[in-house]
Amino acid sequence: KNQVEQSPQSLIILEGKNCTLQCNYTVSPFSNLRWYKQDTGRGPVSLTIMTFSENTKSNGRYTATLDADTKQSSLHITASQLSDSASYICVVSGWQAGTALIFGKGTTLSVSS
Amino acid sequence: NAGVTQTPKFQVLKTGQSMTLQCAQDMNHNSMYWYRQDPGMGLRLIYYSASEGTTDKGEVPNGYNVSRLNKREFSLRLESAAPSQTSVYFCASSESIAGGVNEQFFGPGTRLTVL
Repeated sequence: KNQVEQSPQSLIILEGKNCTLQCNYTVSPFSNLRWYKQDTGRGPVSLTIMTFSENTKSNGRYTATLDADTKQSSLHITASQLSDSASYICVVSGWQAGTALIFGKGTTLSVSS
Repeated sequence: NAGVTQTPKFQVLKTGQSMTLQCAQDMNHNSMYWYRQDPGMGLRLIYYSASEGTTDKGEVPNGYNVSRLNKREFSLRLESAAPSQTSVYFCASSESIAGGVNEQFFGPGTRLTVL
């Protein structure tokens, strides 16, 4: 069964600290993996999209890594800010008809001052 | 550019009532999608439209109908609302479905409660 599992479910860190969120998937065949940020009460916003041939991609203070062999991805947030408080969703796409986005349940990050 | 817009933002219905959720995008995208997001679950695809004039079922289509009115607009209709349809509904769009690496842009969501 195609699944995307994220850990931890929630995380609290102090402003300025770094953190890493994990994503494991069983989607096959694999096309690409995306990380989205979803602020409370808003729609998800794309942070990164990586194909199977890419193993790292950055977007400002956000760096995503992908290991297609072990089917694992991580999202590293550097020097966290209060505005990073949000849900981070890992999404995996298979090669079927382009619609098969499998969404993880998300990791809720709270950054406190 | 407004991106993807959705109306209404909030709605409360009684069981059995009907309503239509509206979605519009101004990015000239070919493909549009409707998702629902429930607590403790990932987003699930209800229906999608690969291009103007076509619609297809997603993972959870029961109880819903859709209309791709034109290239810009994609509506979701609940004919007889049930409490199980209480959820947050997101509309999204992308340049196309083909190729797989098309970024999807999401609207702000409609929070629906069915009593």
